[in-house]
Amino acid sequence: SQQGEEDPQALSIQEGENATMNCSYKTSINNLQWYRQNSGRGLVHLILIRSNEREKHSGRLRVTLDTSKKSSSLLITASRAADTASYFCATDGSNYQLIWGAGTKLIIKP
Amino acid sequence: SQTIHQWPATLVQPVGSPLSLECTVEGTSNPNLYWYRQAAGRGLQLLFYSVGIGQISSEVPQNLSASRPQDRQFILSSKKLLLSDSGFYLCAWSRVGTEAFFGQGTRLTVV
Repeated sequence: SQQGEEDPQALSIQEGENATMNCSYKTSINNLQWYRQNSGRGLVHLILIRSNEREKHSGRLRVTLDTSKKSSSLLITASRAADTASYFCATDGSNYQLIWGAGTKLIIKP
Repeated sequence: SQTIHQWPATLVQPVGSPLSLECTVEGTSNPNLYWYRQAAGRGLQLLFYSVGIGQISSEVPQNLSASRPQDRQFILSSKKLLLSDSGFYLCAWSRVGTEAFFGQGTRLTVV
């Protein structure tokens, strides 16, 4: 089942601009993860943020988590053409599952 | 380091033919293993997961089955493919509470 919902569904920005994607979820979580998927490829893990963390950084990525609003955001700063991909959030569900959102398709225009 | 192999990358099969997609993991033991299907432009739908040899849990009733004959081998099968089985299939492994590692996917087209 799909718990997470990313918005926007699609985002197109100029290279060098910042890109922000949001994820909302419905049930309480232990952690939330963000993944990137290049077209026709497998998903690659970007960052994991635990429920007791509010913000986490990794290079040009910044993830925030607001458990009171059941939402998270992924910020990519100084975007590059290579950041063009789909981005998914996933929360830990029951029975060893990850619950996935439908993704945000990000296009970086040169 | 851990790696995950999934093959083939693309597959075109006629309706009614059997299917076998294989996924193997290296560099770790007793992983949780997963098969997902992804429709074009959509998120991931969990098909099967396994927490150990011979232990398979199915999330969606369908024309597919899964088996785990060895600790690091996960197989997705069908006896007779349907047109609706077309899609992008992804194998993944993880441990509880940590990141998932994905294979490169198999693009299945049933004709």
